[in-house]
Amino acid sequence: GAGVSQSPSNKVTEKGKDVELRCDPISGHTALYWYRQRLGQGLEFLIYFQGNSAPDKSGLPSDRFSAERTGESVSTLTIQRTQQEDSAVYLCASSLVGGGRDEQYFGPGTRLTVT
Amino acid sequence: GNSVTQMEGPVTLSEEAFLTINCTYTATGYPSLFWYVQYPGEGLQLLLKATKADDKGSNKGFEATYRKETTSFHLEKGSVQVSDSAVYFCALSRTQGGSEKLVFGKGTKLTVNP
Repeated sequence: GAGVSQSPSNKVTEKGKDVELRCDPISGHTALYWYRQRLGQGLEFLIYFQGNSAPDKSGLPSDRFSAERTGESVSTLTIQRTQQEDSAVYLCASSLVGGGRDEQYFGPGTRLTVT
Repeated sequence: GNSVTQMEGPVTLSEEAFLTINCTYTATGYPSLFWYVQYPGEGLQLLLKATKADDKGSNKGFEATYRKETTSFHLEKGSVQVSDSAVYFCALSRTQGGSEKLVFGKGTKLTVNP
């Protein structure tokens, strides 16, 4: 079956512009995660959605970052007034039930470059 | 807080050499532990996992044992192949306050030469 998909695969934007990144999770997966991977660094957790529960936004680095999820489907990560330090690969993952032992399936990522 | 420390790379080995990538963690309670792998040009994928102390995860010839006494989850493979060249990430997972996330190490890049 289809895996996690993300779009666009690459995005170059000018400093100060807003960007929107999209994630399509695996059908039937109730949990969805966004991570950021800066060059030479590990993955940083950004936000977690689980079913209809309030999302865990504890990893969002600033109020310029926000994310939404429609039901148990598509999610969008929005970065407003982008800065050069936002340049990174943004990864989305989904899992079946979101439990601590549940495998997360990752998308290919969106490489964001802020010039 | 929860954290993962893994050995810094890059690691370069010859084919058929023995591989160890060290990983230690800091966490309260009993996290689940994972190794993820990112092959060149591909997305991150789960390699193996262990959910409780003394569990051994294994896949594709790789093994890692959950050692609570040393808070470690070292990745090993007896004989590496060129196709194992990738970046390897150690991670832990905890459910806190009803939500849940993976905490990753910084990754170790492995290059295997023929």
